[in-house]
Amino acid sequence: GAGVSQSPRYKVAKRGQDVALRCDPISGHVSLFWYQQALGQGPEFLTYFQNEAQLDKSGLPSDRFFAERPEGSVSTLKIQRTQQEDSAVYLCASSHQGRGWTDTQYFGPGTRLTVL
Amino acid sequence: QQPVQSPQAVILREGEDAVINCSSSKALYSVHWYRQKHGEAPVFLMILLKGGEQKGHEKISASFNEKKQQSSLYLTASQLSYSGTYFCGTEFGWVGGADGLTFGKGTHLIIQP
Repeated sequence: GAGVSQSPRYKVAKRGQDVALRCDPISGHVSLFWYQQALGQGPEFLTYFQNEAQLDKSGLPSDRFFAERPEGSVSTLKIQRTQQEDSAVYLCASSHQGRGWTDTQYFGPGTRLTVL
Repeated sequence: QQPVQSPQAVILREGEDAVINCSSSKALYSVHWYRQKHGEAPVFLMILLKGGEQKGHEKISASFNEKKQQSSLYLTASQLSYSGTYFCGTEFGWVGGADGLTFGKGTHLIIQP
């Protein structure tokens, strides 16, 4: 069956460039999460969507990070004016239930961003 | 409030057992266990809920000690395919906190033939 997919799998950007990372969640999943995973570390929460509503963006590290999910399915994480410290793997996860339910989060393979 | 995992790394021979611990200083609502192989997505293993019982999945099981705010993952008769990094993700409840999971730094497990 189709899982969570992300594109591109690898992205190399020059410092100062803008990037857009895409996530296709499992069809019908209400919740969508973005995480950032630095080398050798666990995933760190960035932001959460319930359908098209961004209910939590407490983990976004700066105002250069922006996420959207306009139709409640595909989501895009945009990073403006990339910096070297943005280099990481960006993971997307989705779950069937909405806020208030403990549910399995299914992860995509991630996008490895390298900022030169 | 990141949970602390121990040990950081462990090397086993195929067929040996392992225990991975996940401890929190903050009251836990649930603990989620994942295994991640290099360059791949974290793969879900199991969820343990506050007030729930020990869960099992083939030769992998886990427990949740509410009083100690600790969960342990048990790998018995380990197989080569068990190699990878194990993460616990904790949930404190969405009210007043973030909606995502707070993950530990991981435990690297290497199984040798």
